[in-house]
Amino acid sequence: ETGVTQTPRHLVMGMTNKKSLKCEQHLGHNAMYWYKQSAKKPLELMFVYNFKEQTENNSVPSRFSPECPNSSHLFLHLHTLQPEDSALYLCASTPGGRGPVNEQFFGPGTRLTVL
Amino acid sequence: AQKVTQAQTEISVVEKEDVTLDCVYETRDTTYYLFWYKQPPSGELVFLIRRNSFDEQNEISGRYSWNFQKSTSSFNFTITASQVVDSAVYFCALSPTTDSWGKLQFGAGTQVVVTP
Repeated sequence: ETGVTQTPRHLVMGMTNKKSLKCEQHLGHNAMYWYKQSAKKPLELMFVYNFKEQTENNSVPSRFSPECPNSSHLFLHLHTLQPEDSALYLCASTPGGRGPVNEQFFGPGTRLTVL
Repeated sequence: AQKVTQAQTEISVVEKEDVTLDCVYETRDTTYYLFWYKQPPSGELVFLIRRNSFDEQNEISGRYSWNFQKSTSSFNFTITASQVVDSAVYFCALSPTTDSWGKLQFGAGTQVVVTP
C-alpha cells in the first residue's frame, strides 16, 4: 500500500449505531487530519494530530471522537450521528510540525450516509 | 481571520477552450502560502501547486498556469486547451507560514465540466 488509505470507502449507518473510520498513511508523516466535505459546503477541518497529539479540534460535536494511536494511524469513532452528518470524510497527512505545510496528501475518503 | 473565496461555483467549457478559475483570499498574516488542489470524481484531492506570498512570479506547468497578484489578493488558475480529464472540482487554499500546524483554509471549490 502506498500513500494514504481509508476504510471503509462507503458506510451506511443508523443513528443509534457505533462505527469507526480508519485512515492509514504509508509516507512516514507525523501529522494527520480529518476533514468533512458536505454537499455545497467547503471542506471543513475537524481534527489535527501532530506526533500523536491533538493540536486542533475545530468545535466538532462530541459524537465524533478521534483517536491517533501512532503517527501512521488515525481513527474517527462515530456514535449517535444525525442525518446531517452524512458527508465525505477525508483523511490527510503531512510531515508535521508547527510550520506551514508543503502539501497535504489525501486519502480517497469514506462516503458516510446516516439514515 | 482567514478566508478564501471562489466565486464561481461551476464552469462549463467545450474541450480545447481555456478556463480560468478565480481565487480571492483574506488574511492578516504578512507571510502565507497559497495552494490549488484538484478533486476528480474519485474523491481524492490532488495537490497542484504551492506558492509563497513572497514569490509573485507567475508559474506555468504544462497546460496549467497560475497568476498571483498580491495587490488584489488573488491567485487565479488557468487551464489552457482544456481536456475532458480536467473535469473536477478545484479548490484554492491558504495557510499561514508560522504556527499553522499545517492547517489549510479551503475555498468552496469550483466545479469544472469539460465536454467533448
